[in-house]
Amino acid sequence: SAVISQKPSRDICQRGTSLTIQCQVDSQVTMMFWYRQQPGQSLTLIATANQGSEATYESGFVIDKFPISRPNLTFSTLTVSNMSPEDSSIYLCSVVSSRHSTDTQYFGPGTRLTVL
Amino acid sequence: AQSVTQLGSHVSVSEGALVLLRCNYSSSVPPYLFWYVQYPNQGLQLLLKYTTGATLVKGINGFEAEFKKSETSFHLTKPSAHMSDAAEYFCAVSAPTSGTYKYIFGTGTRLKVLA
Repeated sequence: SAVISQKPSRDICQRGTSLTIQCQVDSQVTMMFWYRQQPGQSLTLIATANQGSEATYESGFVIDKFPISRPNLTFSTLTVSNMSPEDSSIYLCSVVSSRHSTDTQYFGPGTRLTVL
Repeated sequence: AQSVTQLGSHVSVSEGALVLLRCNYSSSVPPYLFWYVQYPNQGLQLLLKYTTGATLVKGINGFEAEFKKSETSFHLTKPSAHMSDAAEYFCAVSAPTSGTYKYIFGTGTRLKVLA
């Protein structure tokens, strides 16, 4: 499978600030996704990160709150803006790679965010 | 539209006993089905998947699952539980035949293995 890294692995942030999470893959991938996993809950898709164009957001998620960039086929960032304690979650990126299996998502290790 | 239901948010088994984690799905098109495992403080690892072909699929760590279209189920089993199997397990469905690779995840089942 693709090797996926996320930075930072965890962070503690103050209310009202913003945090940018990076997702780096060791090979070019066709699709990249960002998920949120709230404490004790399942995964919810935030958006599909599109290379060279605006991300496609799921219902309930907006670009002003979660701006996403994907400048190339191996890298994406998710920013959590104007944070509140309700944003405390694990944020995961996942990828679909034509090199491995076009129907399977592979996940990064996640970024554990705590907002005080 | 797709949906996934995992029965039992918590399952406890004794070490050496059979593991059965239940997953039922709903899909208007032929589904692709996945089981992932999440160990504490880690991301998700693919256990196994069903796309087409053989309905009994074998995965890593001795797990297997059977796709039963008539029952709209994709239950995960392992003949003999090991302490290292304690983790959260997620079932997911996608529908690539309808042009989307997005997953819908179940709510997860936390497996506890008793010594």
